[in-house]
This record gives sequence, structure tokens and C-alpha cells, in this order.
Amino acid sequence: GAGVSQSPRYKVTKRGQDVALRCDPISGHVSLYWYRQALGQGPEFLTYFNYEAQQDKSGLPNDRFSAERPEGSISTLTIQRTEQRDSAMYRCASSLATSGGAYTGELFFGEGSRLTVL
Amino acid sequence: AQSVAQPEDQVNVAEGNPLTVKCTYSVSGNPYLFWYVQYPNRGLQFLLKYITGDNLVKGSYGFEAEFNKSQTSFHLKKPSALVSDSALYFCAHSGSARQLTFGSGTQLTVLP
Repeated sequence: GAGVSQSPRYKVTKRGQDVALRCDPISGHVSLYWYRQALGQGPEFLTYFNYEAQQDKSGLPNDRFSAERPEGSISTLTIQRTEQRDSAMYRCASSLATSGGAYTGELFFGEGSRLTVL
Repeated sequence: AQSVAQPEDQVNVAEGNPLTVKCTYSVSGNPYLFWYVQYPNRGLQFLLKYITGDNLVKGSYGFEAEFNKSQTSFHLKKPSALVSDSALYFCAHSGSARQLTFGSGTQLTVLP
């Protein structure tokens, strides 16, 4: 597609349920990032992939959070046993590539998935 | 810790006036600095970046930013604000971790 697509756009779930958030990056983009954004705050890094390999998951808050990108394209962020504190906007971004060293490119963000845990 | 700071939560400016959105950084080594904008119910959009070279960087929609090493600042500027510039602006930096770290954001409101 033309841009980064995320689904669902809105998800309301009950505490304790599992949720899966999907990201379809721009075609041909090697790198895929997940961020979480609380209301009134900047996006907070969760994890990122180059192709299907998870390069950095240091931002995942605990082991209830996991992400995969099995074929190097679509990615799924899964939150198990959701808690109210997980409520936030979850944003996906993709980019052409990240090479060694600091990131100097442009990230293309999707519109996000807003998760509300009751 | 390496970070960027946006000291103002809110900036108001009259249409046609120059605008400045402030960002300071605390980064060791080469500071790779970025500005992104978030319009309501939209994803973040890239505006501009400073990697190396000229301290004045020009970006999208008439925005520019000045990298000032002595003041450790990277303020976003525009000579003449438009009502349509009203949005949430984020400063960010990248480091060896190869991902962007964002500031807390500044809500810009341009008054007609």
C-alpha cells in the first residue's frame, strides 16, 4: 500500500484478555518499528526488526509484550493478559533500512492502534 | 542519559508571525536530530533532520531548524505561521541504538 497500515484502529478489551495489533509496512521497507504513545507524551520505543529479525526489544516493558515479523513484512505486536496500564496508542513505523551505527533516516508512521483496557 | 527536551508544552502564535518551537539535546558524540509533526488523528510525519553539514536545515512546509552546538539546541522555526501549522511537534534524536528517542512534544496553536 501507499503508507503504513495498522489494524485495528481502535481496540477495547477487558483486563486479562490478549490482544494482537497488526502492522503492514510500506512495501520494500526493510526496517519496522513499534512505539507506544501515552496521551500527551512522545512515542516510546518498544522494538524493531530488520527483515524478519528482531534487532532490539529493549523497550518492551515486560514479558507480556512480544512482537514478530515472520516473513519480513507484516508484523504483529501481542500483549498477553492485558492490564489497564497498557492502554495507549500503539504506533508502527517503517523505513528503508538501518545500517550500522546511529539511525539517520526517515521513519514513516502509521495512524496507530488505540488500545483501551477496561 | 542521552535525551532531547522540549521545554514548552504549548506555544501560541498569531498567523503571519514567526514561530519557534524549542528543543535542547543532551547527546554524546554526533547528535543526529529530527523534527516530526503530528496532526490530529494522524500518524507522525517527518519534517527535517540534522545529521552533519550546515547548521541551518530546511524541511517540509517551509519549516527550518538551526543546530546550535554551543547552546545544545535544535529549535524549529518558520518565518510566517499558518493556521494549518497547528499541530503537535516532536523533537527526536538517534544514537547507536538505531532508533529514535522522542521528546515530550509541544502543542503549537496558530491563532487566526
